[in-house]
Amino acid sequence: GESVGLHLPTLSVQEGDNSIINCAYSNSASDYFIWYKQESGKGPQFIIDIRSNMDKRQGQRVTVLLNKTVKHLSLQIAATQPGDSAVYFCAEINQAGTALIFGKGTTLSVSS
Amino acid sequence: DVKVTQSSRYLVKRTGEKVFLECVQDMDHENMFWYRQDPGLGLRLIYFSYDVKMKEKGDIPEGYSVSREKKERFSLILESASTNQTSMYLCASSQGLAGGRETQYFGPGTRLLVL
Repeated sequence: GESVGLHLPTLSVQEGDNSIINCAYSNSASDYFIWYKQESGKGPQFIIDIRSNMDKRQGQRVTVLLNKTVKHLSLQIAATQPGDSAVYFCAEINQAGTALIFGKGTTLSVSS
Repeated sequence: DVKVTQSSRYLVKRTGEKVFLECVQDMDHENMFWYRQDPGLGLRLIYFSYDVKMKEKGDIPEGYSVSREKKERFSLILESASTNQTSMYLCASSQGLAGGRETQYFGPGTRLLVL
């Protein structure tokens, strides 16, 4: 069945380091992926998305990499700041193309 | 800015009660979604709607129903609340131009405790 998972439930980094959050997906036909950030007490917020015809997409301080060969997605955050501390979710489009399937989330903790 | 509001931030109900969770979006979005979020399980889709009076089951619809009588409002109904429905409930909306392949905007969530 469809499933989206993250390799690590938690990640701790020092302020200023680069962070890499990983995600594995199971549906090789998925053509759309998205990353969300959820801060404590808030709903998830969109970070960046990518379609399967791309390998890489960059935003402000964030980069998403897509490796379709091994069905792997990663989110890279440059110069991580304390404000980046949150739970990060990856999601992929379902087989019907109608809804997103979310992973279990990775909690990023940034220490000063 | 898109705004998605949920009627309550915290709710305490008793087993067997009928529970209504309300969600309103102000951006004329076509699509609306209800998720529940549990520790270690991420977000799981309960129901979604692509149009007024239209609904589709998500991954975990059992024990829930929904209502969309107006475009801006999507209600989640627990007909007879049970303790295993204690959870964080998140509502989201999206524009509806690309099916599921588009950004969803989330509300702040309702934390429901069923005793």
